[in-house]
Formats: sequence, structure tokens, C-alpha cells
Amino acid sequence: AQSVTQPDIHITVSEGASLELRCNYSYGATPYLFWYVQSPGQGLQLLLKYFSGDTLVQGIKGFEAEFKRSQSSFNLRKPSVHWSDAAEYFCAVGRGGTSYGKLTFGQGTILTVHP
Amino acid sequence: GAVVSQHPSRVICKSGTSVKIECRSLDFQATTMFWYRQFPKQSLMLMATSNEGSKATYEQGVEKDKFLINHASLTLSTLTVTSAHPEDSSFYICSAPQGGAGNTIYFGEGSWLTVV
Repeated sequence: AQSVTQPDIHITVSEGASLELRCNYSYGATPYLFWYVQSPGQGLQLLLKYFSGDTLVQGIKGFEAEFKRSQSSFNLRKPSVHWSDAAEYFCAVGRGGTSYGKLTFGQGTILTVHP
Repeated sequence: GAVVSQHPSRVICKSGTSVKIECRSLDFQATTMFWYRQFPKQSLMLMATSNEGSKATYEQGVEKDKFLINHASLTLSTLTVTSAHPEDSSFYICSAPQGGAGNTIYFGEGSWLTVV
């Protein structure tokens, strides 16, 4: 069974500081990996996804993530955080084939940005 | 761009009644859609896979007779919570992949259900 762990429930950073959100996954084959962002009471917006190729993936809003197979990790990074980045971030893993789209989510990391 | 829309965004119903939530893919066809439930301050948990023209596939522990799913067209899936109880109060979100493996998976805006 696949699983995702986001070790940090809550992270606080100052505006302009760098950010790294951790994500570790467990999956038997090559996973499809995603990072989504959710504002309070809203749906999910895709930041980026990885399924093959270059292990450093660029996303929207200046985010990037690096797939490290040896560490089973897919950490999300941003060099300079903006106040509007405050939200909850979810890492998710899925599989290909006919089950594509069926995702297992991590517990989420709440990001607070201080001015 | 591709959008998945849910309706209603918020609904309050009385205990024992049923409520229907719609999930539409607005500019693409989705043979498969997914329904998730998210309790306050928790993550999303997959409830079921909605398959166009066939029965839904439910995750372990999800009552299929309570959470009825219908996927009658390539752009619409509905989730009906039957005989709702206060413990069913939650945020329900649907998703749909725009095509096969590797394509973007879009999520709806979510529907808040409160059962009183």
C-alpha cells in the first residue's frame, strides 16, 4: 500500500525567507508525486507534479520540488516566501495505469508567513 | 484552462435527510472521477472512484449504501449522502484527471456539508 508522510504539521517562516516542506513516500514502483496547496475552506490547486524525467521539477508560483528515489522523498522548496503563500500544503502519491488519479495524501503542512 | 466545479459549495441539511453534491468537469471529459472527504484539520481521505457508465468502487470502510455515487455522463458525477447524520458533516472534494497517466488531476472547490 502506498503512503505519504509530511513530518512537519506547522511551519512558520518570515516573508522573504527560504522554505522547504518535507515529504516522504512509500510505494513499490515509480510513483506519481504531487504537491497541492489549499487555502482555508477551498479546493486544491496543483503546484507541481513528477512522474519521470528530470528529478528537479518546476511548478507555479516559484515553487520547485526534487525527487530523490534513494531517500523516498519529494521535498517542496521556494527560495523566497511571500505572505500570500500562507496556506496548507499537501504532498500526494499516486499510481499510473487505470488507477491514475487515485491519490494518497500526506497529513498536510500548514505554512504561516510572518511579515 | 480545465476546471472541475462542485455544487453546492455549502449545504446544511437535517439529520435523516439526503443531500446530493455534483461534480462537473467543465471543459474536458472524465471517465473517472474521485471523491474525497476531509474532516476539519485533517487530510483528504479517498472515499470512492466514480466510473462513467459503471458502478463506483468504494474504499474500505466507506458505506456504499450511504454514499451513493452516480457517474451518468462523461462530465458529471454525483455523490448523494443518504440518511445523513451529524458525523457525516465534512468537506467533500471531487477530482478528475484530464486524461491518462501523467496528466493534471484537477480538484473541485469542495462542498461543505453540515448535518444538524
